[in-house]
Amino acid sequence: QVQLQQPGAELVKPGTSVKLSCKASGYNFTSYWINWVKLRPGQGLEWIGDIYPGSGSTNYNEKFKSKATLTVDTSSSTAYMQLSSLASEDSALYYCARRKDAMDYWGQGTSVTVSS
Amino acid sequence: ETTVTQSPASLSVATGEKVTIRCITSTDIDDDMNWYQQKPGEPPKLLISEGNTLRPGVPSRFSSSGYGTDFVFTIENTLSEDVADYYCLQSDNMPYTFGGGTKLEIK
Repeated sequence: QVQLQQPGAELVKPGTSVKLSCKASGYNFTSYWINWVKLRPGQGLEWIGDIYPGSGSTNYNEKFKSKATLTVDTSSSTAYMQLSSLASEDSALYYCARRKDAMDYWGQGTSVTVSS
Repeated sequence: ETTVTQSPASLSVATGEKVTIRCITSTDIDDDMNWYQQKPGEPPKLLISEGNTLRPGVPSRFSSSGYGTDFVFTIENTLSEDVADYYCLQSDNMPYTFGGGTKLEIK
């Protein structure tokens, strides 16, 4: 069955970076885009960007271009999102989701807390 | 960027009643609208994808309609298990954008 596994939580200090992972299984990893979505309480859902593991091609929401960097490791079927220069507004739940015709399968999300 | 305006922000209905949620987009997106259900502690679940397509395994009491800039999501005969947040998502152009969400409660 299709699964996207994400760590449950990360606690990070302001000004640092964090690399979130999304390990895929149960389907051909290189044939689906991996999307990343941010959820903050009271703020709704925001699309950060996506990456195509088959080629490494990426698309970014302009709002997150200087914040997020998307990469993949096809040997382990894992997608990554690095978030840099972390601040309190980056505290949120981050989901990965695969997409071909739609974002149909989602990971459980990684909760990122930025705190000193 | 396409702005998606979703309404209402919340609603409360009795079981068996009909629920209607609307999303209006700032640009013409054809029928590239998706609808998600999110329950507490869970990721969003895709109910309906582009072209008003009901996803496999999703009950037929869920449906949607619309084309261009005006979209409607409907739940017929609402059940208590339908308590959740509902979101629309336009996937016509990047950045993909979500509606602000609708919190559904049961009276």
